[in-house]
Amino acid sequence: EIVMTQSPATLSVSPGERATLSCRASQSVSSNLAWYQQKRGLAPRLLIYGASTRATGIPARFSGSGSGTEFTLTITSLQSEDFAVYYCQQYYNWPLTFGGGAKVEIK
Amino acid sequence: EVQLVESGGGLVKPGGSLRLSCAASGFTFSTYSMKWVRQAPGKGLEWVASISSSGSYIYYADSLKGRFTISRDNAKNSLYLQMNSLRAEDTAVYYCARDGGPWDYSDYWGQGTLVTVSS
Repeated sequence: EIVMTQSPATLSVSPGERATLSCRASQSVSSNLAWYQQKRGLAPRLLIYGASTRATGIPARFSGSGSGTEFTLTITSLQSEDFAVYYCQQYYNWPLTFGGGAKVEIK
Repeated sequence: EVQLVESGGGLVKPGGSLRLSCAASGFTFSTYSMKWVRQAPGKGLEWVASISSSGSYIYYADSLKGRFTISRDNAKNSLYLQMNSLRAEDTAVYYCARDGGPWDYSDYWGQGTLVTVSS
């Protein structure tokens, strides 16, 4: 099983600042990596797939990078609606696995 | 507009069974692989099972194999999850999700249905 490790678990950021979230895979997942945003009480929403492709309707302030085992989600100029929990997920191999999540909170 | 609507959740006693349904609309259901993902209260996301567009290929999380069965009815645009021998640790919100591509990331999610296993 590929273990996905996210860091930090919690990130405190002021509105307008940049947030950088990391996701590490225990073995290479090539670019088969997605990022999701989840707000309290709601279903996850796809942000990024293929490690760096924004999903339909996702603002340009969200960007993904990386390949292999190291991945990054960057949110430039955080808006109030961006404070949420973010998950990475690999779809390179079975079982599909998610990272433990990273909470972006208001500083 | 793509819509996925889960139903069938509720309170069930340990050892009991439950069948979840997911009604799909707004896309050609029969051409997409689908999956179930669950989330225990206050916890992260956990993949449960995936099924190919035709239903011919199925994958399960190892910890659930033998107790849960994923299936689909393309004529009814519906996805199902039969859950047997339920345990307290199966308590979670269960989401159905559409795959963006075969065995892929999930591009659309339902609102989820809560399953509570308790005596």
